[in-house]
Amino acid sequence: AQSVTQLDSQVPVFEEAPVELRCNYSSSVSVYLFWYVQYPNQGLQLLLKYLSGSTLVESINGFEAEFNKSQTSFHLRKPSVHISDTAEYFCAVSDIFGNEKLTFGTGTRLTIIP
Amino acid sequence: SQTIHQWPATLVQPVGSPLSLECTVEGTSNPNLYWYRQAAGRGLQLLFYSVGIGQISSEVPQNLSASRPQDRQFILSSKKLLLSDSGFYLCAWMSSGNTIYFGEGSWLTVV
Repeated sequence: AQSVTQLDSQVPVFEEAPVELRCNYSSSVSVYLFWYVQYPNQGLQLLLKYLSGSTLVESINGFEAEFNKSQTSFHLRKPSVHISDTAEYFCAVSDIFGNEKLTFGTGTRLTIIP
Repeated sequence: SQTIHQWPATLVQPVGSPLSLECTVEGTSNPNLYWYRQAAGRGLQLLFYSVGIGQISSEVPQNLSASRPQDRQFILSSKKLLLSDSGFYLCAWMSSGNTIYFGEGSWLTVV
């Protein structure tokens, strides 16, 4: 079984400042890793994912995450945030051996301060 | 391309009344389907998932049930709602690489 820990429930950041949202996972097997974003009153949207290959993955809106196997982490970063990045962010993990389920973290609410 | 729809988008129901939330997926066949609940200020809780018609796995014992009468249809039901059933319900399907895609969500308020 896998588990996901998002260490920060809320992160306030000034506009144009950098941000890092932390995600750690535990699993006894190799994993796929995901970040989802939920804007107010909407469903979850896939932001980015790591399946294999390069450990650094990027989204179209400037976010990136790096898979670190030794530290079992998949932190989400953005060098300069915008007001429109205000949302809740969920990290998720799935093992690669045909498991039908994703395990989600409890979410991090990112608030951008003008 | 694949799309997922769920309805109704919002629902206000009295305690003890029945519930039916529907979800359909288009553009794929035999998908894994999921129902999640997100209570206010809390994370995602997996309620049910299905790997095929008539195959339902329950993750949390409660007064909700799920059914999959057709390949791309997934229904969440209750015979008698409780106040604690209030929340945001999300249907989802799984693509390759275990990637899950969510519907728009349904807000349920039990009063």
